Amino acid sequence: GESVGLHLPTLSVQEGDNSIINCAYSNSASDYFIWYKQESGKGPQFIIDIRSNMDKRQGQRVTVLLNKTVKHLSLQIAATQPGDSAVYFCAEDDAGNMLTFGGGTRLMVKP
Amino acid sequence: DAMVIQNPRYQVTQFGKPVTLSCSQTLNHNVMYWYQQKSSQAPKLLFHYYDKDFNNEADTPDNFQSRRPNTSFCFLDIRSPGLGDAAMYLCATSKGGALLDEQYFGPGTRLTVT
Repeated sequence: GESVGLHLPTLSVQEGDNSIINCAYSNSASDYFIWYKQESGKGPQFIIDIRSNMDKRQGQRVTVLLNKTVKHLSLQIAATQPGDSAVYFCAEDDAGNMLTFGGGTRLMVKP
Repeated sequence: DAMVIQNPRYQVTQFGKPVTLSCSQTLNHNVMYWYQQKSSQAPKLLFHYYDKDFNNEADTPDNFQSRRPNTSFCFLDIRSPGLGDAAMYLCATSKGGALLDEQYFGPGTRLTVT
C-alpha cells in the first residue's frame, strides 16, 4: 500500500562512514525488490535490485540484504559521500511489473 | 543520453484549466507508467500501459486520463486541475515480459496549480 506522511525519517551520517537504510515490505508474495535514490527535483534513479531467490547482492559501494522471513530489506552504502545525500525508496514488485514504494528515508551526509 | 524524457519540466496551470504532460522514451519498452508524487511522499501509481492496453489504478480520479499513441510517447491529461493536483508527475518505463525488471524514470514534471 501507499505510505503517507509529511515527514520523512532522516538518517544523518558522517562522510566516510557506512550507512544502513532499512525498509519493511508488505507482501510476502513479492519476488523482486529495488532501491531507488531520488535527489531533490529529480526522478528516482535505480541503485540496485534483488530477486527473492537471493538474500544478498552487491554493487559498487552498495549492498542490498533481503530477509524474507521478516519481510525486511536493507541498503548498505559503504564510505558514504556527500553525493549520496538524497531520499532513498525501496520498492517491491508484487503484481508483475507493478511497483509499490515504501515511504522513503532521507540520507544526509555531513562533511 | 536521455532515455525517458518528460516535457515540460515545470508546468503552471490555472485551477480548472486542462493541462497535458508528455513523456517519451528511447528504450522501446513495452510498459509505460505515470506516477504522482507529492512532497515528502513516495510515488503513487496512477495508471500504466502495457503496449496499448491501458490499466487504471482503482483510486485514480477520473480527472486523470492518459493516451499512448505509439510505443514511444505517453501523455497525461488532467481535465480540470484542482489545487490538490499540484505535485511532481513522474513517467517511467519497463521492458515488461515474464522476467521482472527495473523501471526507468524520467526527470519528472512539476505541476503548479494557481
